[in-house]
Amino acid sequence: GNSVTQMEGPVTLSEEAFLTINCTYTATGYPSLFWYVQYPGEGLQLLLKATKADDKGSNKGFEATYRKETTSFHLEKGSVQVSDSAVYFCALSDRDTNAGKSTFGDGTTLTVKP
Amino acid sequence: GAGVSQTPSNKVTEKGKYVELRCDPISGHTALYWYRQSLGQGPEFLIYFQGTGAADDSGLPNDRFFAVRPEGSVSTLKIQRTERGDSAVYLCASSEWGRGTGELFFGEGSRLTVL
Repeated sequence: GNSVTQMEGPVTLSEEAFLTINCTYTATGYPSLFWYVQYPGEGLQLLLKATKADDKGSNKGFEATYRKETTSFHLEKGSVQVSDSAVYFCALSDRDTNAGKSTFGDGTTLTVKP
Repeated sequence: GAGVSQTPSNKVTEKGKYVELRCDPISGHTALYWYRQSLGQGPEFLIYFQGTGAADDSGLPNDRFFAVRPEGSVSTLKIQRTERGDSAVYLCASSEWGRGTGELFFGEGSRLTVL
């Protein structure tokens, strides 16, 4: 079956620091990959996505590259802000069966201090 | 509203009681999903509707859980004889079927506490 493993948190960084949150996956098919973010008091929302190998998803200064050879989709940002403090979830879905039936990691809590 | 709406946002009940959680998806989204999120974990798939029918209910933990979507829009998740282990945040999401790549639009969730 499908599974997602992401870096355990919590992660605490100072403003303007570099961020990496690791995510690796196991999938029976050829998945689409996602990062969702949950800000305090809000619902999950899509941060970025990639649908095929070597695709790079990007949004709000965050990037992640779909690496089929290492089955990874690590999230990076060059300079974090206090407003990036949130819980980040890596997820995959199998387009061949049900594109919206996603498998999620357990989330990584990021706190950015001024 | 423009987003996925879930009610109630918070529900406290006693063990053994019956609970209903409601989801109003984004207008025009034919696919609707229920997920459950326990503390410190990611969302876990429960059930998926395409239109009015449950196309995949493989994530429902047991027969105490049931969901309906009678008119292809609003959905209700029903939990009978609640147990303390049912305490979690129940998330609803919708998407456009046949388009996009599986992106889900989530509501803010219904937090269920079973005492």
